[in-house]
Amino acid sequence: EVQLVQSGAEVKKPGESLKISCKGSGYSFTSYWIGWVRQMPGKGLEWMGIIYPGDSDTRYSPSFQGQVTISADKSISTAYLQWSSLKASDTAMYYCVRPFHSSGWWDYFDYWGQGTLVTVSS
Amino acid sequence: EIVMTQSPATLSVSPGERATLSCRASQSVSSNLAWYQQKPGQAPRLLIYGASTRATGIPARFSGSGSGTEFTLTISSLQSEDFAVYYCQQYNNWLGLTFGGGTKVEIK
Repeated sequence: EVQLVQSGAEVKKPGESLKISCKGSGYSFTSYWIGWVRQMPGKGLEWMGIIYPGDSDTRYSPSFQGQVTISADKSISTAYLQWSSLKASDTAMYYCVRPFHSSGWWDYFDYWGQGTLVTVSS
Repeated sequence: EIVMTQSPATLSVSPGERATLSCRASQSVSSNLAWYQQKPGQAPRLLIYGASTRATGIPARFSGSGSGTEFTLTISSLQSEDFAVYYCQQYNNWLGLTFGGGTKVEIK
């Protein structure tokens, strides 16, 4: 059974750094891209970016380029989303997602993590 | 970036009635369009891909249609568990993935 299990909720202060994780299981982690989607409180879904754990090829939405860093450690089947300096506007639920197809990243997502709530407040 | 616009923002429907949700793309996405359902406190769930193919386990009362820039999600007879927010998503090419703003289907 394919599963994406994310790390727990975080409460941080503005300016702090953060790295959240998403562990994939039940499939070949290095054969599928894995991405991140943001959902701000009461708002819609926004695609942030995606990584191919097999070779760490990474693509970002223009809206998030330079704002976050996506990485992966294939030895432990885990993808990461990190911030170097959080802002209050980063407060949101973050989902990791896996595309349906193993080839290409411009795809629909059939597997979603349970979400990680990040709260940034002074 | 391709902009996806969903309408209406909120749809009030009585149980057993038909619901029709619209999604429009700012440029053609061919049939590279998916629909998701999201209930409060849950991650989104894939309903439809390829504009009209139901995902595994999705009931037949959900159907999708359209191509190019105009798409429709129809729920033929609303059940209590169908009241949720619905999002469309285009995945046409490597230029980027975008979601619509969502349509909330609420009980009338």
